[in-house]
Amino acid sequence: GENVEQHPSTLSVQEGDSAVIKCTYSDSASNYFPWYKQELGKRPQLIIDIRSNVGEKKDQRIAVTLNKTAKHFSLHITETQPEDSAVYFCAPLRGGATNKLIFGTGTLLAVQP
Amino acid sequence: NAGVTQTPKFQVLKTGQSMTLQCAQDMNHEYMSWYRQDPGMGLRLIHYSVGAGITDQGEVPNGYNVSRSTTEDFPLRLLSAAPSQTSVYFCASSLRVGGSSSYNEQFFGPGTRLTVL
Repeated sequence: GENVEQHPSTLSVQEGDSAVIKCTYSDSASNYFPWYKQELGKRPQLIIDIRSNVGEKKDQRIAVTLNKTAKHFSLHITETQPEDSAVYFCAPLRGGATNKLIFGTGTLLAVQP
Repeated sequence: NAGVTQTPKFQVLKTGQSMTLQCAQDMNHEYMSWYRQDPGMGLRLIHYSVGAGITDQGEVPNGYNVSRSTTEDFPLRLLSAAPSQTSVYFCASSLRVGGSSSYNEQFFGPGTRLTVL
């Protein structure tokens, strides 16, 4: 099955700095790479995703980059704000018949004002 | 659309009791799943379903049963509650799972906070 790891497990940055979270996966057949954000006491929500035929995708202050050869993808947040403080999860998914959706271990991001 | 709904929001059980956590979605999603999230931890897959009448085990299925008699509903049954099952339970759904398109997006319910004494 898919083995998914995230690094770092916790990250503290000053407001306005950039943050990068990396997700490493084991299944070379993975072709869908999403990031979810979970604010304290709330449900996870999709914030950005990328497909295997694209190397990078941006949406305002967040971006995701993919390195299929090395089997990892990263979430980049620029100009961090206190409202970016949350737990972030990756959940790489393979195409085809596999239906198990395994989430990464999570990264707690704290943005200090 | 109400999206994904879960009941109850909070529940306290005694060891050995059984109960059913309810999950429903009104988006005609094929894929539904249950996760548990322990304090400070990630999301662990309990059971999932790819359509009515089809269910399968996830990473941590022991102590839980599921059924999927309709597209809309996916209840999770705790057979004999144990303190180790104290957790927040999330139900999630998506149009499908697999492939590379946006229909993989998971929509989560608000969660059920369960305490087993």
